[in-house]
Amino acid sequence: EAGVVQSPRYKIIEKKQPVAFWCNPISGHNTLYWYRQNLGQGPELLIRYENEEAVDDSQLPKDRFSAERLKGVDSTLKIQPAELGDSAVYLCASSLRSSAYNEQFFGPGTRLTVL
Amino acid sequence: GQQLNQSPQSMFIQEGEDVSMNCTSSSIFNTWLWYKQDPGEGPVLLIALYKAGELTSNGRLTAQFGITRKDSFLNISASIPSDVGIYFCAGQLRDYGQNFVFGPGTRLSVLP
Repeated sequence: EAGVVQSPRYKIIEKKQPVAFWCNPISGHNTLYWYRQNLGQGPELLIRYENEEAVDDSQLPKDRFSAERLKGVDSTLKIQPAELGDSAVYLCASSLRSSAYNEQFFGPGTRLTVL
Repeated sequence: GQQLNQSPQSMFIQEGEDVSMNCTSSSIFNTWLWYKQDPGEGPVLLIALYKAGELTSNGRLTAQFGITRKDSFLNISASIPSDVGIYFCAGQLRDYGQNFVFGPGTRLSVLP
């Protein structure tokens, strides 16, 4: 079974440029998460989707960040315009919503560098 | 927001030694997950815990869900060089839906 797929793996852009990250979750997983991981820290949740609905976007900086999961499968996270402080690893994770098990599986991440 | 504390922050051990690390909070959790992250990769799930007092093993790894529901422990026996990495705990708060809170990680170095 394929794991969570993310692309690109690395992205270097200049500040004020737009950038987008793509995630394809594990087949059948209806819950999808986007996290940001700063150097030396644990992942921090940006947004959680249940199918195509964003059920928690309270930590998403909505002035510059946006996300979509139109068909309830793959998802895109966008930053426009990027700032120097956005340099981080952006992780996507998925899980199968269940009353018994809540295991999240992560993709390899996209390492963003803003110059 | 809710916070998890992990200790130690980093540790250096000799190959073959056992390792213990823990994750604590002032909040009550329903689920604990332990992950390992290698450089340049995403976190990989090691062990999941769902009940207070639960003790679960995965090879040389053993994790426990604390009785108070506010902490969890991870032990690694007979460490080997490939155990090097950052270990994260993640807790699902009792009243927080499906979201998890992650600790800052414990960085493990294994000396040959």
